[in-house]
Amino acid sequence: QKEVEQDPGPLSVPEGAIVSLNCTYSNSAFQYFMWYRQYSRKGPELLMYTYSSGNKEDGRFTAQVDKSSKYISLFIRDSQPSDSATYLCAMSLNTDKLIFGTGTRLQVFP
Amino acid sequence: ETGVTQTPRHLVMGMTNKKSLKCEQHLGHNAMYWYKQSAKKPLELMFVYSLEERVENNSVPSRFSPECPNSSHLFLHLHTLQPEDSALYLCASSLTGGDQPQHFGDGTRLSIL
Repeated sequence: QKEVEQDPGPLSVPEGAIVSLNCTYSNSAFQYFMWYRQYSRKGPELLMYTYSSGNKEDGRFTAQVDKSSKYISLFIRDSQPSDSATYLCAMSLNTDKLIFGTGTRLQVFP
Repeated sequence: ETGVTQTPRHLVMGMTNKKSLKCEQHLGHNAMYWYKQSAKKPLELMFVYSLEERVENNSVPSRFSPECPNSSHLFLHLHTLQPEDSALYLCASSLTGGDQPQHFGDGTRLSIL
């Protein structure tokens, strides 16, 4: 079993839709959870960074962590074509080693 | 502008060549990382440097040789690579390492002929 599971997509949605991206993980000791956005031919860009369980909101983005279910989500409200990218979840113990999902490709069409 | 600059952006080399990838960070961070990104696979951590000392070598073949002369610069020296080494090589940095978020450059796309 992979440490982090993420549906590769592609996920195709119309502009304005609410997008839900998810990852599940197996190691209950993970404490730090991140979402990165990666545009084509670019490096991953940090979107959200959360510690332990709960919600964190930043503009149109909400990150949710449910440690009891070992499940994290990223919600994008009012999605825009510029949100079309690959979204990577990542998590770690209190170490330098980030464990990444394979990424979900999102396409938002006008 | 990401704050982490990688050069070159693209590199094509033969299996017998020697080349180097360069990474420079302008964020005042003191931990730097090399990752490999291959299609349909998660990012793989290769090396970690904290305060210019290597703290992790994630079972990487010796044909990859990192160098960190100071906290702002990181190199990856390449020699006698294999076709399966073709990938996007990403550099990242963070403040103090550990629980601090990592910030990535745009990578070097490496193709081995």
